[in-house]
Amino acid sequence: GAGVSQSPSNKVTEKGKDVELRCDPISGHTALYWYRQSLGQGLEFLIYFQGNSAPDKSGLPSDRFSAERTGGSVSTLTIQRTQQEDSAVYLCASRRDRGPNQPQHFGDGTRLSIL
Amino acid sequence: GQNIDQPTEMTATEGAIVQINCTYQTSGFNGLFWYQQHAGEAPTFLSYNVLDGLEEKGRFSSFLSRSKGYSYLLLKELQMKDSASYLCAVRDLEDSSYKLIFGSGTRLLVRP
Repeated sequence: GAGVSQSPSNKVTEKGKDVELRCDPISGHTALYWYRQSLGQGLEFLIYFQGNSAPDKSGLPSDRFSAERTGGSVSTLTIQRTQQEDSAVYLCASRRDRGPNQPQHFGDGTRLSIL
Repeated sequence: GQNIDQPTEMTATEGAIVQINCTYQTSGFNGLFWYQQHAGEAPTFLSYNVLDGLEEKGRFSSFLSRSKGYSYLLLKELQMKDSASYLCAVRDLEDSSYKLIFGSGTRLLVRP
C-alpha cells in the first residue's frame, strides 16, 4: 500500500486479556519500529526490527510485551495479561534503510483501551 | 541519556508567523526531526536537520544549532489546518537502530 497500515484502529478489552496489534509497513522498507503514545506524553520507543530480527528491544516495558516480524514485512505486537497502564495509542513506523536522512513514516496507530 | 523540551501549547492567529522551540540534551547527536500530528492521525514528517543552519520547505522552516542543543520550527502564513501537535525528535549518534527520541509535543492552536 501507499502508507503504513495498522489494525485494528481501536481495541477495547478487559484487564488480563491478551491483545495483538498488527502493522503493515510500506513495501520495501526494511526497518520497522513500534512506539507507544500515552495521553499528554511523547512517543515512547518500544522495539526496532531490521528485516525479521529485532536488534533493539530496549523499550519493551515488561516481559508481557513481545513482537515479531515475518517475511520482512508484517509485524505483530502482542501484549499479554493486559493492565490498565497499557492503555495508549500504539504507533508503527517504517523506514527505507538508505541512509541517515531517511525519515520514519508512521501509521495512524491502534488506540488500546483496557477496562 | 536524552532529554527533549518543547512548550506544551501555543496559540497564534491565522496569517501570522509562529516559532516552536525545541531544546535537547543527548549523549551523542545524529539528526533532529520535526513531525506534525493532527488529532487521531499519524505523525507526518516535516523536516530533518543534521547540520547547523536553516532548512526551508515552503511555509515551514527548521533551524538547528548543535552547539546550543537548540532547534526551532517556523511556520509562516498560518492556516487553520496548521492547528496540530508538532513533535521534535532526535537521534543518537551511537544508535545504529536510528530510533527517535521524542519530546512531548507542542499543541498549536490557530485562531481566525
